[in-house]
Amino acid sequence: KAGVTQTPRYLIKTRGQQVTLSCSPISGHRSVSWYQQTPGQGLQFLFEYFSETQRNKGNFPGRFSGRQFSNSRSEMNVSTLELGDSALYLCASSLAQATGELFFGEGSRLTVL
Amino acid sequence: DAKTTQPPSMDCAEGRAANLPCNHSTISGNEYVYWYRQIHSQGPQYIIHGLKNNETNEMASLIITEDRKSSTLILPHATLRDTAVYYCIARSISGYALNFGKGTSLLVTP
Repeated sequence: KAGVTQTPRYLIKTRGQQVTLSCSPISGHRSVSWYQQTPGQGLQFLFEYFSETQRNKGNFPGRFSGRQFSNSRSEMNVSTLELGDSALYLCASSLAQATGELFFGEGSRLTVL
Repeated sequence: DAKTTQPPSMDCAEGRAANLPCNHSTISGNEYVYWYRQIHSQGPQYIIHGLKNNETNEMASLIITEDRKSSTLILPHATLRDTAVYYCIARSISGYALNFGKGTSLLVTP
């Protein structure tokens, strides 16, 4: 079956703009979690959604938000982009609430100029 | 979730066993040890997890010390394709977040 799909794969924005990233989980998976990966900070948890509800949130400012739709697809939004938001944003899905094995997408690489 | 400590980098010769250590001295009784790896420019991939018994699957073996304060991931016959960053995480089965940290960068050389 199809894996986790993230779109777009690459994008370039300028400071002050906003961006929306999309994640389609594996069919049947109801939990979607988001991560930011940068060379300096490594792989950091952003938030997790299960059944359209945000279940947990990492230590990121309110400019980072997300949502999940009834078909389990998820989007994350970053408003008022800063240079430091340049990163690889990874989405992962799992059957239940972030338990056990996570299946990751290839990521969306955001560059903020 | 308990904090884990891993060496930043390791080398291994192709065909030899790669033994990747992880320290999780503050692990609690209900926290599992998970291992993931990330090959350059790809999303992390699940390898194995365990609670207190040693575990083995087609990819690797996981050895957890009796006091559960440390563990070792073993790739029995490393290949060049095993070059990746390996993450060790300790978390409860019902925990929400996976904090990956920076992992161990394993370089397998010919």
